[in-house]
Amino acid sequence: AQSVTQLGSHVSVSEGALVLLRCNYSSSVPPYLFWYVQYPNQGLQLLLKYTTGATLVKGINGFEAEFKKSETSFHLTKPSAHMSDAAEYFCAVPPHQGAQKLVFGQGTRLTINP
Amino acid sequence: NAGVMQNPRHLVRRRGQEARLRCSPMKGHSHVYWYRQLPEEGLKFMVYLQKENIIDESGMPKERFSAEFPKEGPSILRIQQVVRGDSAAYFCASSPLGRNSGANVLTFGAGSRLTVL
Repeated sequence: AQSVTQLGSHVSVSEGALVLLRCNYSSSVPPYLFWYVQYPNQGLQLLLKYTTGATLVKGINGFEAEFKKSETSFHLTKPSAHMSDAAEYFCAVPPHQGAQKLVFGQGTRLTINP
Repeated sequence: NAGVMQNPRHLVRRRGQEARLRCSPMKGHSHVYWYRQLPEEGLKFMVYLQKENIIDESGMPKERFSAEFPKEGPSILRIQQVVRGDSAAYFCASSPLGRNSGANVLTFGAGSRLTVL
């Protein structure tokens, strides 16, 4: 079954600095990949998804992620962090081709320092 | 255009009582998923349902937990004889019946937070 691993359960950056949240997937077959964000006491909101086509995917709130097959990675980036970006971020993948459900990584809590 | 509606948002139960969590999917969505989020942990898949049909319950605990999605009304996650370890946030998500399985976006509700005393 496909899975994702998020490196770093906590990431802290200064306001205005680059945000880099890491996600690696397990399958040799390019899967569909998702990034979700969870603000405190809220549900998950889709940031972006990769299905096919362009490997650089742009999402909401200035975030983007690049699918790199050679590295089995789908890291999430944002050039300049804002205080409102403080949240928990989850990478997700269907466990096998054709699956409707998603399996999630452990999550990365992003803290923004003023 | 309401999103995924979950209620109650907060539920407190004493050990041994029953908890019922309800989820109404987005309009037009025919698939419902339940996830559990324990404190300081990620989301764990529990069950996936369509109307009147459980598709995948591989993440459901073997005892005390059940889920349904009747022809009419919301999906319900039922936890019988709750224990302290059941304290968690329970999230419901929904998706449409898509042609590209696996590429469908799950839309999440705000969650139901269960506290067992």
